Amino acid sequence: DQQVKQNSPSLSVQEGRISILNCDYTNSMFDYFLWYKKYPAEGPTFLISISSIKDKNEDGRFTVFLNKSAKHLSLHIVPSQPGDSAVYFCAASGTSYDKVIFGPGTSLSVIP
Amino acid sequence: NAGVTQTPKFRVLKTGQSMTLLCAQDMNHEYMYWYRQDPGMGLRLIHYSVGEGTTAKGEVPDGYNVSRLKKQNFLLGLESAAPSQTSVYFCASSTPPGRYGYTFGSGTRLTVV
Repeated sequence: DQQVKQNSPSLSVQEGRISILNCDYTNSMFDYFLWYKKYPAEGPTFLISISSIKDKNEDGRFTVFLNKSAKHLSLHIVPSQPGDSAVYFCAASGTSYDKVIFGPGTSLSVIP
Repeated sequence: NAGVTQTPKFRVLKTGQSMTLLCAQDMNHEYMYWYRQDPGMGLRLIHYSVGEGTTAKGEVPDGYNVSRLKKQNFLLGLESAAPSQTSVYFCASSTPPGRYGYTFGSGTRLTVV
């Protein structure tokens, strides 16, 4: 049973528009959430994170929103660029361990 | 700056053969991890290590063994490969407490026939 879910396997967005990637989790002990980006034939790279004491974190074009009551987080990319085309993994961890649990990923295509 | 280096990048094994995947990091990280990536499953943790000489099981440890004899190296072994172990394997490292962001290698694509 997946503890971190990304229900959209793929997403297609026009260049310049907003990309919204969603993630749901089931474990209420998770208190730290991360997004990783992965290009083909490369390893994932860390993108942005958020602690459960916050509901929003911004880094340039990337913003992560956290709704703890709904156990839901989302990654917004504004404006989307063709170079953002990649697989995005949502991940989560809890204070009791250092392991990070990853979701199945969402493949984003940004169309020029 | 090399970061995390995985060897080999590709390998084809026959069922029952054994092999070792090597992960080396030059960032003096304490923690190291082995993940496997399968379609629709995301990244699943196989084994991890929180320091030289230590190892621990992750989500899917069966069929794999690991060793961390040196801080910079983390080896993943398959004693008797099975087709179910066909996957892309990623090694990662981090500073404690780990969850603030991993540095991943570029992966090893393993096919077991």
